[in-house]
Amino acid sequence: KQEVTQIPAALSVPEGENLVLNCSFTDSAIYNLQWFRQDPGKGLTSLLLIQSSQREQTSGRLNASLDKSSGRSTLYIAASQPGDSATYLCAVSPQAAGNKLTFGGGTRVLVKP
Amino acid sequence: DAGITQSPRHKVTETGTPVTLRCHQTENHRYMYWYRQDPGHGLRLIHYSYGVKDTDKGEVSDGYSVSRSKTEDFLLTLESATSSQTSVYFCAISDKGADSYEQYFGPGTRLTVT
Repeated sequence: KQEVTQIPAALSVPEGENLVLNCSFTDSAIYNLQWFRQDPGKGLTSLLLIQSSQREQTSGRLNASLDKSSGRSTLYIAASQPGDSATYLCAVSPQAAGNKLTFGGGTRVLVKP
Repeated sequence: DAGITQSPRHKVTETGTPVTLRCHQTENHRYMYWYRQDPGHGLRLIHYSYGVKDTDKGEVSDGYSVSRSKTEDFLLTLESATSSQTSVYFCAISDKGADSYEQYFGPGTRLTVT
């Protein structure tokens, strides 16, 4: 059974610092990996999706890398802003069922002005 | 934002009563999903659909049933609600565009069973 872990569970940084968020998974036979953002009381917003054949994806200040062999993904957020404060979740889907996601517990981020 | 709505957004109900949550999409995506989110357990898949009248169980399907009679609507029913089903329920959609199955989520329904 796939297990997805995000450590730390919470993180606080001063504004302007780069954020590094970690995601690890136990089964490397994945179809894709997706990063989401969730604001309190809201739904999830898709940030980046990395397919198993890719090493990284970039969108603006966000960059996500994928190392399938070691079962790890990292989300980098450059020059953090208070508006980046949210919970960030990663999720993976298995090769056999690309549409079924298993989620990590999330990392709650606070960016202090 | 993907066109996904959920109704109701909040509901309080009593133990033993039936409850139906609705998810409506305007994106014509093939796949639809129901998740629940609980502290300490994260997001867990309840049921999903891969087409009209085609559904399958997820990780935590006991006590829940689903139906999909139209592409745009996916219903989640709690036949007899229990306190353990107090949770936030999210609907999601995806399609096999560019081979990615990227999922998009609705705003959620907060359900309290008293």
